[in-house]
Amino acid sequence: EAGVVQSPRYKIIEKKQPVAFWCNPISGHNTLYWYRQNLGQGPELLIRYENEEAVDDSQLPKDRFSAERLKGVDSTLKIQPAELGDSAVYLCASSAMSQARWEGYTFGSGTRLTVV
Amino acid sequence: GEDVEQSLFLSVREGDSSVINCTYTDSSSTYLYWYKQEPGAGLQLLTYIFSNMDMKQDQRLTVLLNKKDKHLSLRIADTQTGDSAIYFCAEPEGSQGNLIFGKGTKLSVKP
Repeated sequence: EAGVVQSPRYKIIEKKQPVAFWCNPISGHNTLYWYRQNLGQGPELLIRYENEEAVDDSQLPKDRFSAERLKGVDSTLKIQPAELGDSAVYLCASSAMSQARWEGYTFGSGTRLTVV
Repeated sequence: GEDVEQSLFLSVREGDSSVINCTYTDSSSTYLYWYKQEPGAGLQLLTYIFSNMDMKQDQRLTVLLNKKDKHLSLRIADTQTGDSAIYFCAEPEGSQGNLIFGKGTKLSVKP
C-alpha cells in the first residue's frame, strides 16, 4: 500500500510568486492534515479536513494561504504570494476516523519550500 | 493552550542507552506519542503510551510516563547509528484529533 504521497519534494521560488503543493492520502483515510515545519521546529497544524470539510483552519494565514480537498480525497495547499518567511517543509498526514487513537497519523515525506 | 517541551540535542556512543525527555501540559491527554524523523523524511510513529500506563516496553524502546509531573521519556537500549534522527514527543490537542509536537530532540550516535 502506498503511503501518503506528496509532490513536489522540493520547490524553489522567488518571493511574491504563487506555489501549490499536492497531497494524496492513504486510501480510505477521511481525515487529512496539513502541517508546516520550520527549520529546527516541530510541525505545526495549518488545517485539518474531515472528508471535504475544513474543520480546523484557525492556524491557516488566510490572507495568502488557501487549501481545498475536493471529493474528500486529494488535497492542494496554495500560497499566493509567497514570502521569505514561508520557507519550510509542508507536511501532509492522514488518518481514518475508524482507526484507534493510538495509531496516530501517517505522514508524507513533505515538500521543502525555499523562497528566495 | 497545550505546550510540549523537549531538550534539543543528545549525543551518545553506539551501544549505550539514550534517554530523551519531554514535558507536556494537558493532563487530560489520553495518549502520548513518540515520532521519529530521519533526514529528508516525514515523521514516523515510533511508539505511544496510554495515559493509564506508567511504562511500556517494545523491543529496544521503553516509554516511561509520570502523569503527576507530566513527564514522558523514551529510552533506546543499545543505541545504533541507524537510530540517529530527530525524535518528537506529541500530545493531542484537547478533544480534537490534532497533535501538538515538541521542537524535537536530535539524537546523534557516535560509532
